[in-house]
Amino acid sequence: NAGVTQTPKFQVLKTGQSMTLQCAQDMNHEYMSWYRQDPGMGLRLIHYSVGAGITDQGEVPNGYNVSRSTTEDFPLRLLSAAPSQTSVYFCATRDTDYEQYFGPGTRLTVT
Amino acid sequence: GQQLNQSPQSMFIQEGEDVSMNCTSSSIFNTWLWYKQEPGEGPVLLIALYKAGELTSNGRLTAQFGITRKDSFLNISASIPSDVGIYFCAGQLTTDSWGKLQFGAGTQVVVTP
Repeated sequence: NAGVTQTPKFQVLKTGQSMTLQCAQDMNHEYMSWYRQDPGMGLRLIHYSVGAGITDQGEVPNGYNVSRSTTEDFPLRLLSAAPSQTSVYFCATRDTDYEQYFGPGTRLTVT
Repeated sequence: GQQLNQSPQSMFIQEGEDVSMNCTSSSIFNTWLWYKQEPGEGPVLLIALYKAGELTSNGRLTAQFGITRKDSFLNISASIPSDVGIYFCAGQLTTDSWGKLQFGAGTQVVVTP
């Protein structure tokens, strides 16, 4: 039981490049979400999903796309990376008691 | 934007001391969660609170859901070096049907021997 896994662990992009951050879970949780973490700002919600085929925007969605074709996977896409997207990205799942479980994070630098 | 005010921002304490931190909001929450994050890792859930007034312990950690439902505190007793990390509070708003969480900015705890 791996819980929540994220790949890659580290990534460096040039401005304008695109990439997909992967997130997978084996806990059969319906609710999944993506956060970014910046110094002094805590965790901010980017996008979330309440089940396969259903996604919605969080607090800071601009510049990011998501899709949810299966319960297990919830990839986050950056279509045209910008330096402002340099951050640590966390994927999380939530059980029915609202307890969220986080992955280990992806550290992204955009130059 | 961020609706939770977490304090203090950082704490430097000696091993054996107790630690106390809190989160407050102008909004009413259904659920309060407390997480710990160590360097290079994701946040790990420590304690979950579901009812106003609830007091819950997890080892040396104790957390309470405030009576007004607008605040929560976390205490760590007899701190040890491995308590080092950033502690986050998170709350679920009563108005949020999807159960999205709001996070505090974190309290950085440093424990010196």
